[in-house]
Amino acid sequence: AQSVTQLGSHVSVSEGALVLLRCNYSSSVPPYLFWYVQYPNQGLQLLLKYTSAATLVKGINGFEAEFKKSETSFHLTKPSAHMSDAAEYFCAVTPTSNTGKLIFGQGTTLQVKP
Amino acid sequence: EAGVAQSPRYKIIEKRQSVAFWCNPISGHATLYWYQQILGQGPKLLIQFQNNGVVDDSQLPKDRFSAERLKGVDSTLKIQPAKLEDSAVYLCASTLDGWNTEAFFGQGTRLTVV
Repeated sequence: AQSVTQLGSHVSVSEGALVLLRCNYSSSVPPYLFWYVQYPNQGLQLLLKYTSAATLVKGINGFEAEFKKSETSFHLTKPSAHMSDAAEYFCAVTPTSNTGKLIFGQGTTLQVKP
Repeated sequence: EAGVAQSPRYKIIEKRQSVAFWCNPISGHATLYWYQQILGQGPKLLIQFQNNGVVDDSQLPKDRFSAERLKGVDSTLKIQPAKLEDSAVYLCASTLDGWNTEAFFGQGTRLTVV
C-alpha cells in the first residue's frame, strides 16, 4: 500500500532563512507527488506537483521540490522564508493519474519567527 | 471562477444525532471527492464520484456514513448516527475529469460531536 511520511510535525525557521520540509513516500509504481498548503480555516491549495517530467519542480510562492527516486523523497524547499509562509503543509501521493484521489502525510506546521 | 463551495462551515451536534454536509464543486467538474481530516492528521479520502456514480467508497464507514450526487453536480454527505470520533473537518474537492488535472478543495465543514 502506498504511504507518505512527513518528518517533523513542526518546523520553526526565522524570517529569511531556508525552509526545508521533508517527505518520503512508499510506492510500488512510479507515483504522482504533490505538496499542498493549508492556511488556518482554509481549504488545501496546491503548491506544486511531480508527474514524471522534470525531477525539480517549481511551484507557487517561491517553493520548489525535488523528486529523488533513489531516496524515495520529495522534499519541499524555499530559499527565504516569509511570515506569510506560516501554515500547514501536506505531502501527498497518488499511484495513478487520478489526481484527486490522494494519500496524504500527516502534515508539517511551519512557524516563521520574525 | 468560483471555487468549491461547502456548507455549513461549522456544526456542533450531540452524539447519536444526524448531520449533513453540502458541497457544490467548480462548474463543469465531473469528479468530486469527500475527505475527512481529523485534527493533527492529513485528509483521508472517504468517497469519489464520477458524475453521479460512485467510483470508490472503500474507505466510507457505510454503517453510518452515506453520500450522494444525484444530478452529477452538488453532493451531500450524511452521518447518522454521529459518534464522538467523527469530530473532524470534512473537505470536498473536485477535478475536471479526475485525470491529470488539479484537485481544488473547499474550505471544509468543521464538525464537533459532543
